[in-house]
Amino acid sequence: QVQLLQSGADVKKSGSSVKVSCKVSGGTFGPYTITWVRQAPGQGLEWMGGITPMFGTTNYAQKFQGRVTVSADKLTTTAYMELSSLRSEDTAVYYCATGSGYYNHWGQGTLVTVS
Amino acid sequence: DIVMTQSPDSLPVSLGERVTINCKSSQSVLNTSNNKNYLSWYQQKPGQPPKLLFYWASTRESGVPDRFSGSGSGTDFTLSINSLQAEDVAIYYCQQYSTTPYSFGQGTKLEIK
Repeated sequence: QVQLLQSGADVKKSGSSVKVSCKVSGGTFGPYTITWVRQAPGQGLEWMGGITPMFGTTNYAQKFQGRVTVSADKLTTTAYMELSSLRSEDTAVYYCATGSGYYNHWGQGTLVTVS
Repeated sequence: DIVMTQSPDSLPVSLGERVTINCKSSQSVLNTSNNKNYLSWYQQKPGQPPKLLFYWASTRESGVPDRFSGSGSGTDFTLSINSLQAEDVAIYYCQQYSTTPYSFGQGTKLEIK
């Protein structure tokens, strides 16, 4: 059973950066894309981008280009999402998810608050 | 980018009622080479991550009750729930995974009348 365990909630100042981790267990880490999706309070789901650890290839939504970096450590089977130049609109729950384009496994979510 | 539009935004429903949620994509998500629609549906309850219900538009994820069904092709899709149960009250999202960014619809919130 694949499980995704994310790092805990974080509070950041405007202009700073945040790095959220996503530990994958119970499955094969490499071949599936690990994607990051965020959800602002009371809002819908927003696809940010992802990484395929086996190839190290990344794909980002244009909206976040230049501000987001997704990485993966195959040894620890952990993916990371770093978002820089934070502003109040980045306050959201950030989810990691994996699957074949559709996502059948999700992390529990990490609340990032930008003050 | 492909824009996904769901209707309605919210839907007051009664228990036992049949529910239909629509999802329209701004361009086709049908891959004619394999005849698959790159469209999925999710259910999200408060405080929880989304849960996959359907992929390839109509393939039910393991464990999803068969009162749920997905249909459609090209640009128009439907999620139906036969005989709504209390545990089905949630927000439902469609998502296309044909072209990055893999966009979601804005969500449809089911509420009890």
